[in-house]
Amino acid sequence: SAVISQKPSRDICQRGTSLTIQCQVDSQVTMMFWYRQQPGQSLTLIATANQGSEATYESGFVIDKFPISRPNLTFSTLTVSNMSPEDSSIYLCSVEFSFGGYNEQFFGPGTRLTVL
Amino acid sequence: KQEVTQIPAALSVPEGENLVLNCSFTDSAIYNLQWFRQDPGKGLTSLLLIQSSQREQTSGRLNASLDKSSGRSTLYIAASQPGDSATYLCAVSQGGKLIFGQGTELSVKP
Repeated sequence: SAVISQKPSRDICQRGTSLTIQCQVDSQVTMMFWYRQQPGQSLTLIATANQGSEATYESGFVIDKFPISRPNLTFSTLTVSNMSPEDSSIYLCSVEFSFGGYNEQFFGPGTRLTVL
Repeated sequence: KQEVTQIPAALSVPEGENLVLNCSFTDSAIYNLQWFRQDPGKGLTSLLLIQSSQREQTSGRLNASLDKSSGRSTLYIAASQPGDSATYLCAVSQGGKLIFGQGTELSVKP
């Protein structure tokens, strides 16, 4: 497994502003993922971020709204742009490790975002 | 499109009971299945992973089974404790992605 940290752990933001969430891993990983968990809901994949290539977004998520950076193998950022109250969610990053023929994902502690 | 369903949505049991959480999925072409625990407002802790070729995995008081042909998995928790209170999520890995169920919110009463 790995130690995964996220900053900030929580934030309260005003409508129309943007917030950048950081995800740091203590070892090098190829695959990193960003998820959203809306209140009372399960996790939905926003995008897959591989180092050295553009992020791949899932249906319903666009780069202009959720730009992602992946500058190296241990770090990624997700920006929530032009926020509205509907963006209030927990945002989680995850990483994937390969173990003897199978892959397993591990998650960061999440960033709780409230948009007023 | 893969859909993952968890039943029940919520469960309350007295301490010491054995319990079973259910997870079903519509497409059996999965790579593996993971069970996670999520405490309120927190991230996810991986509990067990079952590869598609496996039938079950055990860790302490937890046992997870997988029947890929019928699209079902169960998480068995033995001798439940108040510290087990959390939301339990199952997720199937398919096409390089995890698809999550809605979770079962478990409350273990002292």
